[in-house]
Amino acid sequence: QVQLQESGPGLVKPSETLSLTCAVSGYSIRTAYYWGWIRQPPGQGLEWIGNMDHTGITFFNPSLKSRVTISPDTSKNQFSLRLTSVTAADTAVYYCARRMRDGYHWFIDSWGQGTLVTVSS
Amino acid sequence: DIQMTQSPSSLSASVGDRVTITCRASQDINNQLAWFQQKPGKAPKSLIYGASTLQSGVPSKFSGSGSGTEFTLTISSLQPEDLGTYFCQQYISYPLTFGGGTKVEIK
Repeated sequence: QVQLQESGPGLVKPSETLSLTCAVSGYSIRTAYYWGWIRQPPGQGLEWIGNMDHTGITFFNPSLKSRVTISPDTSKNQFSLRLTSVTAADTAVYYCARRMRDGYHWFIDSWGQGTLVTVSS
Repeated sequence: DIQMTQSPSSLSASVGDRVTITCRASQDINNQLAWFQQKPGKAPKSLIYGASTLQSGVPSKFSGSGSGTEFTLTISSLQPEDLGTYFCQQYISYPLTFGGGTKVEIK
């Protein structure tokens, strides 16, 4: 059973860079599937940030594309999110998630527990 | 981007009631749709993919249907543990997009 766990600073200053890591256990991120990030501002809905495939090829939400990087660390079986030039609008719970495949369906089957990141000086 | 619209935004129902949530896509997404349940303060849980296929371990009281632009999630007999917010999501094209959510409360 795959498990995902986010980690990183809970407080980031405006204009700085948000950096989070998702540690994966129970499955190698080099084997297959998509590995990505989703966020949820307090009291609001879910926003897909982006994902990478098992080779490191990435896809991003156009609304965030200029500020986002998702990259693997295969030696530690984890992947990371970097979001630059943050503002208060980036305050949210950040989730990492896996998209797996069944036929032509690529669907989210596993989520991390989420980590709250607050942007404030 | 494909817009996903859920209705109602909230509902209150009694234990044992049959509950139906609707999700509409702004364009044809075939059956590339998933449903998630989010309990208060918790991460979302994956319920259904392919519009109607239950994820492993999800009880059969949950069911999904639809294709094209209109989809439904049904809880056949609402129980107290089903309270939370339910989201639909399309995955036919990037960017992946979610519905705004339906908050389910118990009367």
